[in-house]
Amino acid sequence: GQSLEQPSEVTAVEGAIVQINCTYQTSGFYGLSWYQQHDGGAPTFLSYNGLDGLEETGRFSSFLSRSKGYSYLLLKELQMKDSASYFCAVRDNQGGKLIFGQGTELSVKP
Amino acid sequence: ETGVTQTPRHLVMGMTNKKSLKCEQHLGHNAMYWYKQSAKKPLELMFVYNFKEQTENNSVPSRFSPECPNSSHLFLHLHTLQPEDSALYLCASSQDFSGSSEQYFGPGTRLTVT
Repeated sequence: GQSLEQPSEVTAVEGAIVQINCTYQTSGFYGLSWYQQHDGGAPTFLSYNGLDGLEETGRFSSFLSRSKGYSYLLLKELQMKDSASYFCAVRDNQGGKLIFGQGTELSVKP
Repeated sequence: ETGVTQTPRHLVMGMTNKKSLKCEQHLGHNAMYWYKQSAKKPLELMFVYNFKEQTENNSVPSRFSPECPNSSHLFLHLHTLQPEDSALYLCASSQDFSGSSEQYFGPGTRLTVT
C-alpha cells in the first residue's frame, strides 16, 4: 500500500523561500506529483518527478529521492497568492491510481 | 468551453432524495475520476474510468453509483445518502494512466446532506 505524510500547516513571510516536505512509504510508484488547491477551488497540477532529482518551473521546484522516500516542494519569492493547500501524490504502479497526501496548508504573511 | 466542468456547484439534499452530479471534460482525455474531499482529509479516490470502462471502485458504498456514457461525460448518481457523505466531490480527467499524466480537476460540487 501507499502512505504519504505532510506537515498540516506551514507559515512563511512574503518574499521568503519555503519548503514543504512529503515523506512516503510505498510498495512502488511511477512518479510523484505536487498539486495546489486554493480554498474553495480545484486542485491544479504544479510539478512531476519521475526520476530522482530536482525539477524547476518558475518559482516552484520539486525534488524526489526514491532511496530516502522523500520529496519536497520549494516555493521561492513567496507571494500572498501562494497561500493555499499543497498536496503530494504518487501514481500507484499497480493500477495507476493517484494517491494523495493529506495536504499542507501554507499561509503567507505580509 | 475549457477544461473540466461540473454541475451543480452546490447541492443540498435530504437523506431520502435522489440526485446526480455531472462532469464533462473538453480535453480529449481517456480517463476520468471521481474524488471525495472531506474537511482536513486527503482526497479520496472513489471511481476510475478508462475509455468508458470502470477500472476502479475504491470500496465505495452502493448509495454512490457512477455512470460513464462516453469518454467526455461522467455522472455520479446519489441516493439515500448519509450526513457523513457531505463533502466536496471532485471530478478529474487525464490523458491516460501513465506516471506523468497530469490530472485536471473540475471545480467540484459542494454537497450537503441534511
